[in-house]
Amino acid sequence: AQTVTQSQPEMSVQEAETVTLSCTYDTSENNYYLFWYKQPPSRQMILVIRQEAYKQQNATENRFSVNFQKAAKSFSLKISDSQLGDTAMYFCAFHKAAGNKLTFGGGTRVLVKP
Amino acid sequence: GAVVSQHPSRVICKSGTSVKIECRSLDFQATTMFWYRQFPKQSLMLMATSNEGSKATYEQGVEKDKFLINHASLTLSTLTVTSAHPEDSSFYICSARDMGQGDNQPQHFGDGTRLSIL
Repeated sequence: AQTVTQSQPEMSVQEAETVTLSCTYDTSENNYYLFWYKQPPSRQMILVIRQEAYKQQNATENRFSVNFQKAAKSFSLKISDSQLGDTAMYFCAFHKAAGNKLTFGGGTRVLVKP
Repeated sequence: GAVVSQHPSRVICKSGTSVKIECRSLDFQATTMFWYRQFPKQSLMLMATSNEGSKATYEQGVEKDKFLINHASLTLSTLTVTSAHPEDSSFYICSARDMGQGDNQPQHFGDGTRLSIL
């Protein structure tokens, strides 16, 4: 079974600064997908970024980028130039290449301070 | 992009009532949909996988007679919380993936249903 661990329950960052959220996972699969989802107070789940395990290049989406270390089974998210609207819960998630089921980490609450 | 619509967004009802929640994929077909439950300040917990035209697959510890799932078409799955009690109060979220676009497509989530049983 796969597990996803987010070791930081809560983080705060000043507006315009950078924050990095950690995520580690455990799997015996060689091919899989990793995701970061954002859940603002509205509780809508919003896809932030995704990474295919077979790709070595780290994914980037505007101010969001990941540091994917396959050997270490680590998938951290960096939020650059933090904005007040980035305040939310962030969930790291995993699913096998041939599978459908998402396994979520416990979440990290990010608070962006003005 | 793919859109998943979930209805209703909020339900408040008396103990013993059965509540039906709908999850629709609006612009794609979904042979598989997923139902999650989320307690306050916690992560999403997968309850069951809804399979079009066949029985749902429930996760360990989830009562299938309490949480009835029907996936009668390629765009609609329903979750019915039968004879709901206060301990069933929670936030329920569905998701679906556009399988027709390949294996690397992410899951898209509905906006969730906040269920409160009095």
